[in-house]
Amino acid sequence: DTEVTQTPKHLVMGMTNKKSLKCEQHMGHRAMYWYKQKAKKPPELMFVYSYEKLSINESVPSRFSPECPNSSLLNLHLHALQPEDSALYLCASSQEDGEGETQYFGPGTRLLVL
Amino acid sequence: QKEVEQNSGPLSVPEGAIASLNCTYSDRGSQSFFWYRQYSGKSPELIMSIYSNGDKEDGRFTAQLNKASQYVSLLIRDSQPSDSATYLCASRMIYNQGGKLIFGQGTELSVKP
Repeated sequence: DTEVTQTPKHLVMGMTNKKSLKCEQHMGHRAMYWYKQKAKKPPELMFVYSYEKLSINESVPSRFSPECPNSSLLNLHLHALQPEDSALYLCASSQEDGEGETQYFGPGTRLLVL
Repeated sequence: QKEVEQNSGPLSVPEGAIASLNCTYSDRGSQSFFWYRQYSGKSPELIMSIYSNGDKEDGRFTAQLNKASQYVSLLIRDSQPSDSATYLCASRMIYNQGGKLIFGQGTELSVKP
């Protein structure tokens, strides 16, 4: 089973709202990732958590705040977003954050910022 | 800047033909390579991973890696209309704090009935 789940599937928010995206996996994977994908573009890495610690932040604006409460759960807190932040937000996980480890993607949350 | 390059396509092949998707990478340190399929509006789905020079076959899919020439390819035999999607090539780059996938721009494949 290589299932990563994400909620919600769709989210519409105003620029002053605060919302959160949730990602969950029960595969025992120890690395989890947030990606952002715009239309017709490849996924862009935002954050990597390895063993529940933030290991990579790709210079993401502070209006995006990741959180890893436990090894199965990854959140992305959103605050004061801009319309250009509208995109598909993908969560992925891998066994560990090492060479050759395959990343499995969740179905994504499609975010629209008005 | 470490890069992965793919032809954006669209690549159009008739049903039953072999589709050949190519990818080159610039980082000689890359050791792991992945092909993902992404249907419109959906998330990427892993098709193949390859780490060693040579061919790796899985059903109708064959991945080929040539580290000396720094290219990776994906062959899809007996292409079906359901194979129509964007195919993303990715290499894994190791940072001192962990690893990240470097994606190509993706190749759009269209299989015509």
